[in-house]
Amino acid sequence: GAVVSQHPSWVICKSGTSVKIECRSLDFQATTMFWYRQFPKQSLMLMATSNEGSKATYEQGVEKDKFLINHASLTLSTLTVTSAHPEDSSFYICSAPRGIFTEAFFGQGTRLTVV
Amino acid sequence: AQSVTQLDSQVPVFEEAPVELRCNYSSSVSVYLFWYVQYPNQGLQLLLKYLSGSTLVESINGFEAEFNKSQTSFHLRKPSVHISDTAEYFCAVTQIQGAQKLVFGQGTRLTINP
Repeated sequence: GAVVSQHPSWVICKSGTSVKIECRSLDFQATTMFWYRQFPKQSLMLMATSNEGSKATYEQGVEKDKFLINHASLTLSTLTVTSAHPEDSSFYICSAPRGIFTEAFFGQGTRLTVV
Repeated sequence: AQSVTQLDSQVPVFEEAPVELRCNYSSSVSVYLFWYVQYPNQGLQLLLKYLSGSTLVESINGFEAEFNKSQTSFHLRKPSVHISDTAEYFCAVTQIQGAQKLVFGQGTRLTINP
């Protein structure tokens, strides 16, 4: 089946630094990818839609300048958390639909801890 | 816009007992429906999906869900659970036309006790 790989699986960083998370579709091309955030024991909240070759579409309330998204190729989208603060600590998950949408494939998630 | 409600945040059951995880949705347009399972510190894995056709859909590990349009429900069931079924389960919908965004329910933690 289709595989989406997310890296790193966990990261600890200091307040004020930036962290980049990668999401790759390994065996298919994804013109669209989605970035979610999940707080402990809560559901996934869509942060933004990453579009290959164009600007990302952010959900209401998500800071564009803080969560930078780049979708430079058909197999790679990156999420950069800039000037991270402890409240940015969370589980971030990417997903990619394959072809005409019938299913979304998810990455393994990234546990971000800001200290 | 769509919304999904999972009525039970936690469901504890004994091993080999049946289980039902409830999911109701709201949408003004036609939707696809999904159940995803999440194990600790992992991403989501598709369990089953309803796109069209038969309203009863099954997974390879014994789960099934039935799409009920009149009740706007997509409850997940398994007749006999195993310890390995312990996980978080998410119901999700996406509209058939337009943006391919998934809207998730709050999740249900299924705990299987021996």
